Amino acid sequence: KQEVTQIPAALSVPEGENLVLNCSFTDSAIYNLQWFRQDPGKGLTSLLLIQSSQREQTSGRLNASLDKSSGRSTLYIAASQPGDSATYLCAVGVGGSEKLVFGKGMKLTVNP
Amino acid sequence: DGGITQSPKYLFRKEGQNVTLSCEQNLNHDAMYWYRQDPGQGLRLIYYSQIVNDFQKGDIAEGYSVSREKKESFPLTVTSAQKNPTAFYLCASSIDLAGIWATDTQYFGPGTRLTVL
Repeated sequence: KQEVTQIPAALSVPEGENLVLNCSFTDSAIYNLQWFRQDPGKGLTSLLLIQSSQREQTSGRLNASLDKSSGRSTLYIAASQPGDSATYLCAVGVGGSEKLVFGKGMKLTVNP
Repeated sequence: DGGITQSPKYLFRKEGQNVTLSCEQNLNHDAMYWYRQDPGQGLRLIYYSQIVNDFQKGDIAEGYSVSREKKESFPLTVTSAQKNPTAFYLCASSIDLAGIWATDTQYFGPGTRLTVL
């Protein structure tokens, strides 16, 4: 059974820091990995999607990498801003099924 | 203005009552999903549908029911059989079922917070 873990559960940093958010998964048979952002009381917004054949994806100040063999992904946020404060969720597309398996998320607070 | 709408934003239910949560999308997506989110937990899949008049149980379908009579609509009914229904409910859609196209992401609605009194 696929399990997705995000550690730590929360992180508080001063503005301007470069951040690395971690995601690990137990089964390497995935077809993609996605990072989502969730603001309090809101739905999820897709940030980056990495196909299983890819190593990384970039969008603006965000860069996500994928290492299937080790079951890890990282989301890199450059020059963090208070507006980046949110919960970040990692999800993997499970091979051979129709669903995403989500981690519990990491709550990020960027202090001005 | 394309997207997914969910209504109501907040819903209060007395014990023993059934309630229906609305989810509508105008993205012309075939696949739709319902998730439940509890504090400090990841999303858990309740039901999903690939096509009109077809739907499948997810990981936690007990106490819930759905219908898919129209492509753009996928309402979720929380029945009195659901023992702990207080949660945040999220609806999502994608072009096709996740897994068929590795490039497809899911688009989420704003959510409905259900509280049982």
